Amino acid sequence: AQSVSQHNHHVILSEAASLELGCNYSYGGTVNLFWYVQYPGQHLQLLLKYFSGDPLVKGIKGFEAEFIKSKFSFNLRKPSVQWSDTAEYFCAVNEGTSYDKVIFGPGTSLSVIP
Amino acid sequence: NAGVMQNPRHLVRRRGQEARLRCSPMKGHSHVYWYRQLPEEGLKFMVYLQKENIIDESGMPKERFSAEFPKEGPSILRIQQVVRGDSAAYFCASSISHGDTQYFGPGTRLTVL
Repeated sequence: AQSVSQHNHHVILSEAASLELGCNYSYGGTVNLFWYVQYPGQHLQLLLKYFSGDPLVKGIKGFEAEFIKSKFSFNLRKPSVQWSDTAEYFCAVNEGTSYDKVIFGPGTSLSVIP
Repeated sequence: NAGVMQNPRHLVRRRGQEARLRCSPMKGHSHVYWYRQLPEEGLKFMVYLQKENIIDESGMPKERFSAEFPKEGPSILRIQQVVRGDSAAYFCASSISHGDTQYFGPGTRLTVL
């Protein structure tokens, strides 16, 4: 069965530090890839997505992610985090045969210390 | 342009009661998806509906759970005879077409006493 794993359960960074959150998926075919963010008390918001084309995807708020097909990875990066980036980050994938359901990773909780 | 709406935001039920969760998709979206988030876990797919049709219910428990998306009105996720293990956050998402980006609502937090 298709699965998504995220490398870290909880990450703590100081403001201005660089961020990289790891994500790997198990499906070997065509995939669409997503990063969603859930700020405290708010609902899921789409940060960025990859459907096809340039494997380096830029999203909102200075985030970017790189799709590396050979590694089945879609890591999220930001060069300099802010306190307002404190949130839960979910990597997600839906695969090419059905596109019905989005499979979510368990999430990474990011805490940014001022 | 209003996003996906869900109500109620919080719902408390006693064991054995029924829970009804409502979801209104974004304007122009005719595809609705329900997910469940248990404590300390990621979101798990439950069911995918289009207007008046259930397309994929592979993630839905076989008993007590049902979903509908009528021609008029919101999509409803119904849980009969709730048990404590049903306590979770239930999220609805919608998309404009099959396979397109899913946009999520704020969720309904169900607590079963």
